[in-house]
Amino acid sequence: DGGITQSPKYLFRKEGQNVTLSCEQNLNHDAMYWYRQDPGQGLRLIYYSQIVNDFQKGDIAEGYSVSREKKESFPLTVTSAQKNPTAFYLCASSKQGWGYEQYFGPGTRLTVT
Amino acid sequence: QKEVEQNSGPLSVPEGAIASLNCTYSDRGSQSFFWYRQYSGKSPELIMSIYSNGDKEDGRFTAQLNKASQYVSLLIRDSQPSDSATYLCAVNILIQGAQKLVFGQGTRLTINP
Repeated sequence: DGGITQSPKYLFRKEGQNVTLSCEQNLNHDAMYWYRQDPGQGLRLIYYSQIVNDFQKGDIAEGYSVSREKKESFPLTVTSAQKNPTAFYLCASSKQGWGYEQYFGPGTRLTVT
Repeated sequence: QKEVEQNSGPLSVPEGAIASLNCTYSDRGSQSFFWYRQYSGKSPELIMSIYSNGDKEDGRFTAQLNKASQYVSLLIRDSQPSDSATYLCAVNILIQGAQKLVFGQGTRLTINP
């Protein structure tokens, strides 16, 4: 079964702690993306990667970091520098870069108190 | 002007009727257009992609693209209560020399039995 998995589904953290969200895909897609969705708002791009060992900042990269050491994996770290980290985080992948259909994982809902 | 605009709704349609969702975009050069369905608390699911002017049909869904008017729409025929969701329009847009997929805010659709 091909798809995108994200873990965990729910994550609770205290302020000041870094946290890493997992994203794995077995679709053999080259490109992967991280978005953030806040209640009643659209999706905002955090980081994207079009090829292994390369990634680019999106619109709201401050306070986040990523790595792309394997084609299948694109973990996102939410650092303590992110001012409002509580949100729904969505990972997506596409066959190649922009212009191709993006498919989303189930998401991770992060709550920071 | 926002890069991708949708009426946020809510749009209320009786069961069995046609639901019509609209989206306008700012970049005349856009080539790729997508419709996603998002149930409450879930991640977006790709339901239609369209790349050339005209209509594209898939089951009860029809996407319509008019590049001259910078307008893309989604029609849902024989609407069912299970179609109640938020529908996101996404358009590939060139911003400051870089491509990215821009999402609208979404239109909340309710199908009334």
